[in-house]
Amino acid sequence: GENVEQHPSTLSVQEGDSAVIKCTYSDSASNYFPWYKQELGKRPQLIIDIRSNVGEKKDQRIAVTLNKTAKHFSLHITETQPEDSAVYFCAASIEQFYFGTGTSLTVIP
Amino acid sequence: DTGVSQDPRHKITKRGQNVTFRCDPISEHNRLYWYRQTLGQGPEFLTYFQNEAQLEKSRLLSDRFSAERPKGSFSTLEIQRTEQGDSAMYLCASSFDSNNEQFFGPGTRLTVL
Repeated sequence: GENVEQHPSTLSVQEGDSAVIKCTYSDSASNYFPWYKQELGKRPQLIIDIRSNVGEKKDQRIAVTLNKTAKHFSLHITETQPEDSAVYFCAASIEQFYFGTGTSLTVIP
Repeated sequence: DTGVSQDPRHKITKRGQNVTFRCDPISEHNRLYWYRQTLGQGPEFLTYFQNEAQLEKSRLLSDRFSAERPKGSFSTLEIQRTEQGDSAMYLCASSFDSNNEQFFGPGTRLTVL
């Protein structure tokens, strides 16, 4: 089955700096890569996703890049704000999602 | 509220008891997923349905776990003879077909004493 690895597990940045989270996957059949944000005590919510026929996607301060050859994808958050503090999960999907172990992002005001 | 709902939100039970959780997906979604999440981990896939058909079950899921979606709408997840290791947050999600955004419910937090 699919194996998704995510790093770093924790990340602290100063407000206004950029944050980058990286994930690798093992199954080349995976074709959909969502990123979820989970605040403490709340449900995961999609923030951005990318499909395997696209190399990059951007939505305001958030961007995702995908390298199918290397089987890795990354989340980039620019101009971070304190409200970006949360746990972020990547996932790779064939028929169901396989999630990474999460990155706890802290944005220091 | 037209999002995914789960009931109950919290369940405390004694080891050896059976528990059942319910999930109501977004009405037009044909796919329904169950995940388990423990502290500091990502959601772990348990099983999923397309309409009323259960298409895949994780090999991590023991025979004590069973799920149904009898009419292709709501789903139930039952755990028999609960163990302390079953303590976790059980999340339900729904989507329209595969490889599309999954919308998560608020989860049911199970504590087995």
